[in-house]
Amino acid sequence: AQSVTQLDSQVPVFEEAPVELRCNYSSSVSVYLFWYVQYPNQGLQLLLKYLSGSTLVESINGFEAEFNKSQTSFHLRKPSVHISDTAEYFCAVTLSGGSNYKLTFGKGTLLTVNP
Amino acid sequence: NAGVTQTPKFRILKIGQSMTLQCTQDMNHNYMYWYRQDPGMGLKLIYYSVGAGITDKGEVPNGYNVSRSTTEDFPLRLELAAPSQTSVYFCASSGSGETQYFGPGTRLLVL
Repeated sequence: AQSVTQLDSQVPVFEEAPVELRCNYSSSVSVYLFWYVQYPNQGLQLLLKYLSGSTLVESINGFEAEFNKSQTSFHLRKPSVHISDTAEYFCAVTLSGGSNYKLTFGKGTLLTVNP
Repeated sequence: NAGVTQTPKFRILKIGQSMTLQCTQDMNHNYMYWYRQDPGMGLKLIYYSVGAGITDKGEVPNGYNVSRSTTEDFPLRLELAAPSQTSVYFCASSGSGETQYFGPGTRLLVL
């Protein structure tokens, strides 16, 4: 079975500072990796995903994540954050080529951007 | 195109009562999922379905039941509600199986 560890439960940063949210996974087979974002009192929205190909994936709002197979990591980064990026971020994994695509989530990282 | 809708948004139940959380998607997705979210614990899979008439248990199925008689609907049934079922419940659906689309959630309080 696969598992996901998000190393920081809370990350406070100042506006326009860079940020990195860390995610490590454990799996004996190939996986797909995802970052979801949850704004207050809302459902989860897909931020970006790695399925195959280039190990660096980007979102439309400036986030990027790099799949590192040797370190089993999928850290999320943004060079300059905005107040509006304040949210909880979840890393998730599923087996590639699976028949049901069940997601296993990390416990989440609360990103708080302060002015 | 409303995506994934869930009703109710919020409900208070007494211990021992039962209720059904409704989930509907209008994207003709085959895959549907129910999760519960507890503070600091991420999301845990309760049940899932890969198509109409097919359901299976997830990580935390005890105390819950599901059915999938149509592609669009995937209701979650709570029998004999317990305080441990106080949580926020999310329904999700997926067409390709790779990206899941989430509903807005149902907040349930069992007293």
